[in-house]
Amino acid sequence: AQKVTQAQTEISVVEKEDVTLDCVYETRDTTYYLFWYKQPPSGELVFLIRRNSFDEQNEISGRYSWNFQKSTSSFNFTITASQVVDSAVYFCASGGGADGLTFGKGTHLIIQP
Amino acid sequence: DTAVSQTPKYLVTQMGNDKSIKCEQNLGHDTMYWYKQDSKKFLKIMFSYNNKELIINETVPNRFSPKSPDKAHLNLHINSLELGDSAVYFCASSQGVSGGYNQPQHFGDGTRLSIL
Repeated sequence: AQKVTQAQTEISVVEKEDVTLDCVYETRDTTYYLFWYKQPPSGELVFLIRRNSFDEQNEISGRYSWNFQKSTSSFNFTITASQVVDSAVYFCASGGGADGLTFGKGTHLIIQP
Repeated sequence: DTAVSQTPKYLVTQMGNDKSIKCEQNLGHDTMYWYKQDSKKFLKIMFSYNNKELIINETVPNRFSPKSPDKAHLNLHINSLELGDSAVYFCASSQGVSGGYNQPQHFGDGTRLSIL
């Protein structure tokens, strides 16, 4: 069984601030996959990143970066120089494949102008 | 080009009715899913199908019956709708399941079901 915990229910920051969204996962699998999805106010789910358990390299994509640490079972997501358009609910998830994704409860990120 | 499309986008109906939600993907994926998102935004897997075969049924009431006529379609039929069925239902698809590579899932825009 997999479990994903996003302890931050809601975060509010002022535009241009950096913000980190936390994700802690639990799994008994030796090979596993982690994901982040964004759900803007319009409601669709947008894929952001996939990481497998063999690859602990951090990843940067523009203003987005991800820090995967197996030692702490965490896969945190940082937005640098946040913008109003980043306002959304962000979901961390694990699993995939035929079993589907196990989602955390999401973090509602509010970027104030 | 819409990758995963669901219809209808909104569905408002009375308790006790039967309704269907259709899902189609044009990505050539071999696995499709249905998820339910409740009013607190919690997302939970309901079903997964791989090449038209049911793989996962996550303790969903048997009033919910998925049907996959081919691997590009996975429809969801719901009988005797109840108030608690009000939610947003998302269809998704992915590739590479058989290889265990757990490719990202691509989601439809969701169907908002409201039971009166």
